[in-house]
Amino acid sequence: EVQLVESGGGLVQPGGSLRLSCAASGFTFSTYNMHWVRQAPGKGLEWLSYISSSSSTIYYVDSVKGRFTISRDNAKNSLYLQMNSLRDEDTAVYYCARGGVNYCLDFWGQGTLVTVSS
Amino acid sequence: DIQMTQSPSSLSASVGDRVTITCRASQSITISLNWYQQKPGKAPNLLIYAASSLQTGVPSRFSGSGSGTDFTLTISSLQPEDFATYYCQQSYSTPWTFGQGTKVEIK
Repeated sequence: EVQLVESGGGLVQPGGSLRLSCAASGFTFSTYNMHWVRQAPGKGLEWLSYISSSSSTIYYVDSVKGRFTISRDNAKNSLYLQMNSLRDEDTAVYYCARGGVNYCLDFWGQGTLVTVSS
Repeated sequence: DIQMTQSPSSLSASVGDRVTITCRASQSITISLNWYQQKPGKAPNLLIYAASSLQTGVPSRFSGSGSGTDFTLTISSLQPEDFATYYCQQSYSTPWTFGQGTKVEIK
């Protein structure tokens, strides 16, 4: 069974940093592209970042470019999102998702809540 | 960036109704369009990929159609477990973008 489990969320002050992790199991992690997506409270979905299976290709949405860094460790079956210079508007549930056919997101984790507030 | 616009933003329907949700892209995205269902407090779940391909395990009452800029998600006979919010997403070019969502509520 495919499982994605995010961790690392919590309360952080504006300007602070946080590192999210996503532990993958039930599939060959090293052969799949991965994504991060977030959802602000009561709002819609926002795609944030993509990393290819070998980490050779990485994309970001403009709103997080230069502040967030996606990475992965295939030996540990883990995906990461390093978030720096956090702002109030970064408050959201953050999901990791597996990349599927035609760049769809075919499996999602349960999400981890990040709250940016003083 | 490609803008995705869903309509309606919300709808009320009864069990057994046929429901149609539309998604329009700001430019042609060929068939690079995916649909997700999200229930309150839960992660999204992929329903349809590449405009019309049904994800494994998704009931056949869900179907998708369209190409270019106009797409449709149809639920042929609404079931109680289908009351949720539905999102379209384009995977044609980065940044991949989602529609604003369509909330399907019980009439």
